[in-house]
Amino acid sequence: GQNIDQPTEMTATEGAIVQINCTYQTSGFNGLFWYQQHAGEAPTFLSYNVLDGLEEKGRFSSFLSRSKGYSYLLLKELQMKDSASYLCAVSPRSGGYQKVTFGTGTKLQVIP
Amino acid sequence: EAQVTQNPRYLITVTGKKLTVTCSQNMNHEYMSWYRQDPGLGLRQIYYSMNVEVTDKGDVPEGYKVSRKEKRNFPLILESPSPNQTSLYFCASREGHEGNQPQHFGDGTRLSIL
Repeated sequence: GQNIDQPTEMTATEGAIVQINCTYQTSGFNGLFWYQQHAGEAPTFLSYNVLDGLEEKGRFSSFLSRSKGYSYLLLKELQMKDSASYLCAVSPRSGGYQKVTFGTGTKLQVIP
Repeated sequence: EAQVTQNPRYLITVTGKKLTVTCSQNMNHEYMSWYRQDPGLGLRQIYYSMNVEVTDKGDVPEGYKVSRKEKRNFPLILESPSPNQTSLYFCASREGHEGNQPQHFGDGTRLSIL
């Protein structure tokens, strides 16, 4: 089975940097997604990590350590519009139907 | 514009009155899925479909039905809704079966069962 842990809530200041952690325990692992979800809206895809290391996409970066079952999403130069929930989701090893399991999400509040 | 469209966006109804939430995607995606999202529980999969006429249960299928008669449509049916099905529902699609492809989500349907 899959077990995914994320902090429930975080608060950070506009212009700052915030790191949102995600740990997972899984019987099989292919990669890890990060999605952003504004309140009452649909989740939208941010990143997918398969290999260990940091991948950067503008202000957002995502890190993965497969051996530690650990990922984080790094948001730089925070803006008020970054206030949202951030969902990590695990994709099991490839082959056949693959169900993605979502964590419960981290609600980020950006304050002035 | 590539999108997943759900209807209705909001619905308040009563226990036992059958309802259908429609979902349509215009990306020719093979895989479609329904999730419910509840506070503290995250997104939980209800049913999924890998192609036309191929559907299977997710983690929380009780009380729900689905069908996939056309590739673009994947309706969610509540035959006899109950208050514990009050939730925010999302339909999603992705291109193929592999879990390494991102999903595209509809805007959500907020259901209240009284």
